[in-house]
Amino acid sequence: QSALTQPPSVSGAPGQRVTISCTGSSSNIGAGYKIHWYQQLPGTAPKLLIYDDSNRPSGVPDRFSGSKSGTSSSLAITGLQAEDEADYYCQSYDSILSAVVFGGGTKLTVL
Amino acid sequence: EVQVVESGGGLVQPGRSLRLSCTVSGFTFGDYAISWVRQAPGKGLEWVGFIRSKGYGGTTEYAASVKGRFTISRDDSKSFAYLQMNSLKTEDTAVYYCTRGDDFWSGYYPWGQGTLVTVSS
Repeated sequence: QSALTQPPSVSGAPGQRVTISCTGSSSNIGAGYKIHWYQQLPGTAPKLLIYDDSNRPSGVPDRFSGSKSGTSSSLAITGLQAEDEADYYCQSYDSILSAVVFGGGTKLTVL
Repeated sequence: EVQVVESGGGLVQPGRSLRLSCTVSGFTFGDYAISWVRQAPGKGLEWVGFIRSKGYGGTTEYAASVKGRFTISRDDSKSFAYLQMNSLKTEDTAVYYCTRGDDFWSGYYPWGQGTLVTVSS
């Protein structure tokens, strides 16, 4: 049982908008610790997609955006493309566990 | 270009030891904490631990699942970090990634390609 909960899967058609939620608690997201998001394409290493809740590293398209509210965070992908099909993970810090924690991951399927 | 490369993975019997190495290029190694993250086959990401830069004491932090068995070290003169894994268990089987970050709170970038550790008799 991860400290951060993500839906196992989401799907959308090309061009659509999808969101992936990351639900935590008062000891991680709710405490104000930053959320980071990763994209892992099949057979490859994770890639930083969003850092510090809502910032995009250089080279990441602005179709990807992050937000945070209360004890939850969301990753939104607009203008869905076939190449976005991947696993997505959220990451934060948990003060009770004194550990970096990852969500269980969400598999995005582009229909 | 910022790059990270892991090595040292392989097949090892339960109870034995293995040391992974991580080398970096494209940034000043000594200025950053280095973290290890693993991914069991078909599973999600699991934080293993990190070592702070010498400027922040060079101290280490570990996940509860590996504390007391795994040790992270660094050699700034060679731009290398190491993950010494002792008393390996079958549940330690995973791809191990090395990545750059700052303490508990930062995002991790870049990631290496990973090195597979298989613990089996």
